[in-house]
Amino acid sequence: DQQVKQNSPSLSVQEGRISILNCDYTNSMFDYFLWYKKYPAEGPTFLISISSIKDKNEDGRFTVFLNKSAKHLSLHIVPSQPGDSAVYFCAALIQGAQKLVFGQGTRLTINP
Amino acid sequence: GAVVSQHPSWVICKSGTSVKIECRSLDFQATTMFWYRQFPKQSLMLMATSNEGSKATYEQGVEKDKFLINHASLTLSTLTVTSAHPEDSSFYICSANPGLNYGYTFGSGTRLTVV
Repeated sequence: DQQVKQNSPSLSVQEGRISILNCDYTNSMFDYFLWYKKYPAEGPTFLISISSIKDKNEDGRFTVFLNKSAKHLSLHIVPSQPGDSAVYFCAALIQGAQKLVFGQGTRLTINP
Repeated sequence: GAVVSQHPSWVICKSGTSVKIECRSLDFQATTMFWYRQFPKQSLMLMATSNEGSKATYEQGVEKDKFLINHASLTLSTLTVTSAHPEDSSFYICSANPGLNYGYTFGSGTRLTVV
């Protein structure tokens, strides 16, 4: 039962353009969402998060949008840079339960 | 910032032996730590929740006797893979939450190869 889904295993974007990574979830009890960036053989690095009481959170080049009615969130990276090439995981949790549930990840490749 | 240190970063062991992986929170106390496993090109799967001073909580399908977890202090949790077999070869990652605004912080992971 995949409660958090990232349906695009890979995405290729030209440098300078916008990267949009999508994530869907099925459990309506999730109330906090996080995005992580991961390089091979390393642990995930926290990027940005959003609470379910908000629909947008912005931090520099990264913006996360949350559409609760559609149970959908997205991560926008603009402008995309070569160093952004990595695997991106979205994760969700029920605050208080502490357990993060991860999507399958999307491999983002930024082409120069 | 909050740092979680994981050691070793990689280990090769013979089938039938045991391997211990350490996870330390360097600048914060963690009453709870989490152990994940990642297969190639797959998601991170939560194996167990490590609770300081009490028993770990294992996810469904994870063998308690194979993956021994000890959380003896507020800054250290260990995962021991007992009687390792080649199918236990994987990437193991620990994490802790220093406070929700930080997001959960992950260790650098341990690549276990059982030969």
